[in-house]
Amino acid sequence: EAGVAQSPRYKIIEKRQSVAFWCNPISGHATLYWYQQILGQGPKLLIQFQNNGVVDDSQLPKDRFSAERLKGVDSTLKIQPAKLEDSAVYLCASSLVSGSADTQYFGPGTRLTVL
Amino acid sequence: AQSVTQLGSHVSVSEGALVLLRCNYSSSVPPYLFWYVQYPNQGLQLLLKYTTGATLVKGINGFEAEFKKSETSFHLTKPSAHMSDAAEYFCAVRTSGGYQKVTFGIGTKLQVIP
Repeated sequence: EAGVAQSPRYKIIEKRQSVAFWCNPISGHATLYWYQQILGQGPKLLIQFQNNGVVDDSQLPKDRFSAERLKGVDSTLKIQPAKLEDSAVYLCASSLVSGSADTQYFGPGTRLTVL
Repeated sequence: AQSVTQLGSHVSVSEGALVLLRCNYSSSVPPYLFWYVQYPNQGLQLLLKYTTGATLVKGINGFEAEFKKSETSFHLTKPSAHMSDAAEYFCAVRTSGGYQKVTFGIGTKLQVIP
């Protein structure tokens, strides 16, 4: 079974530029998550999708971050414009359903450096 | 509200020694508890999880954890450390029932000394 795929793996941009990340979840997984992991911290949920609908985006900085999950499969996360404090690893995860005990499967992440 | 505290951001053990990584949680309702491992430049991988039932949970790679409600703890242990166990370990909590996001601790980096 293929895992969660993410691209690119690394991205370096200057502040005020825009950037987009892509995630392909495990086939058949209805729930998709985007996390931000700042160096030295645990992952923080940015947004959760159930199929193509948003379940939770309470911690997404909506003035600069946006995400979509067209057709309930792939997802993109965009930052525009980027700030220095956005430097982090962006992790995508998926799970079969959205139940509390359901296992989340993580992709390798995209490491973003904002100069 | 829920939270996780991992005591010790860095832990060093000798190869063959006991591994003990501490995790305490706060939750107003019965929690689901998770331990994840993250190797360099990789995503998180589930080691084990507690949902209901037996409080001693066995996971992959010889790790286990015990849910102790009275102590609000879910410490991770392994009897004998291997060099390949060197990684960062995250404890996470999610409240049962309805929708609740997962809250992660800050992580504990495990160093195994030959």
